[in-house]
This record gives sequence, C-alpha cells and structure tokens, in this order.
Amino acid sequence: DAGVIQSPRHEVTEMGQEVTLRCKPISGHDYLFWYRQTMMRGLELLIYFNNNVPIDDSGMPEDRFSAKMPNASFSTLKIQPSEPRDSAVYFCASSFARGGWVSGELFFGEGSRLTVL
Amino acid sequence: GQQLNQSPQSMFIQEGEDVSMNCTSSSIFNTWLWYKQDPGEGPVLLIALYKAGELTSNGRLTAQFGITRKDSFLNISASIPSDVGIYFCAGVANAGGTSYGKLTFGQGTILTVHP
Repeated sequence: DAGVIQSPRHEVTEMGQEVTLRCKPISGHDYLFWYRQTMMRGLELLIYFNNNVPIDDSGMPEDRFSAKMPNASFSTLKIQPSEPRDSAVYFCASSFARGGWVSGELFFGEGSRLTVL
Repeated sequence: GQQLNQSPQSMFIQEGEDVSMNCTSSSIFNTWLWYKQDPGEGPVLLIALYKAGELTSNGRLTAQFGITRKDSFLNISASIPSDVGIYFCAGVANAGGTSYGKLTFGQGTILTVHP
C-alpha cells in the first residue's frame, strides 16, 4: 500500500512568493496532520483535520499560513507571502482513530524541504 | 500547553552498548509513543503504549508507560550502526470536553553509534 505522499520534496523560492505544499494521506485514515520541523524548534504541529474538518489550528504561525482539506484524499498547506524564516521541512502525516480518540500512531510522509531566499 | 521533556538530547555510544532515553511531563497522557527519524525521512513509529505500567518490546527495543502516566522510557539493547537517528517520544492527552486527543512530541534524542 502507498504511504503518505507529499509534494514537492524540495522547493526553493524567493521571499514574497506563494508556496503550496500538497499531501495525499493513507486511504481510510481519519486524521491528517501538518507539522513543521526545524533544528531550533523541533517538530511543531501546525494544524490537524479530522474527517476533513480542521480541529486545531492553534499552531499555525500567522495569517500567512492556511491549510485546506477539500476531500479525504488531499490536503494543501499554503504560505503567502513566504519569508526566509519559513524555511523548514514540512511533514504531512495521517492517522486513524482508536476508541474515538486520535491514536497517536502517525504515518509520516517524506517531507517537503522549503527554502525561502 | 503540554510539554514533554526528553533526555538526553544526544548520545554517542559504541556499537554493542545498550541505550536508554526517557520522557517526562507535568501532565497526564493516555498514550505514549516512540518514533525514530532517519536522515531525510519522516519519523516512523517504533512502539505505542496504551496502559499505565505497560511494558512492550519490539525486537531490541523495550518501552514502558510510567505508572503515573507522566513518563515513559525507551531502551535499545546491543546497539548497531543502523540505530543511528533521532528518537522522539510523543504523548496523546484527551482534550477535555471534546472527543479529540492532542498529540505532543518531545524535542528528540540524537543517537550516534560508533562501529
């Protein structure tokens, strides 16, 4: 079975440009997470969805970041306008419920490495 | 918000040695998990623990869910070079009043194994 698929794997862009990261979760998973990883801050949860509905977006840094999940098989994370401090690896992960709660058993994609010049 | 304190931050060991790392929290978690991240990859789940006091093994890995529900440890026995990577603990706490849990990651332990 295919795992979580993210694209692009690498993106280099200039400050001010719009960046769109894409994710296809594992079929049948109820939850989708977007994380950002940097050396300084580690793994930070940006937002997560349950059944395509955003549940917690308190980790989204500011209004420049937005995420959507139009259907169960696709999600996007958009940064507009991008800034150098947004440079990081962005991970998408999907999971399933266990006993009505998020199980914590996340399946991560390979990540999208973003560099903003 | 909830925070997990993971230690040590890094470890340098010789092949064949045993490794131990742990995670503590000031609040209770319902589930503890341990992940490993290889360079250039996303984290991969190693072990999941669902009950206080639970001790679970996965090959050379052993992890325990602390009885107070505020801590967990991971042991790796007889380390080998491919154990190199970053190990993360993670905890799930039921978000009170809702049906959704919140997953929190520790800061990670960087493991280096010298042949």
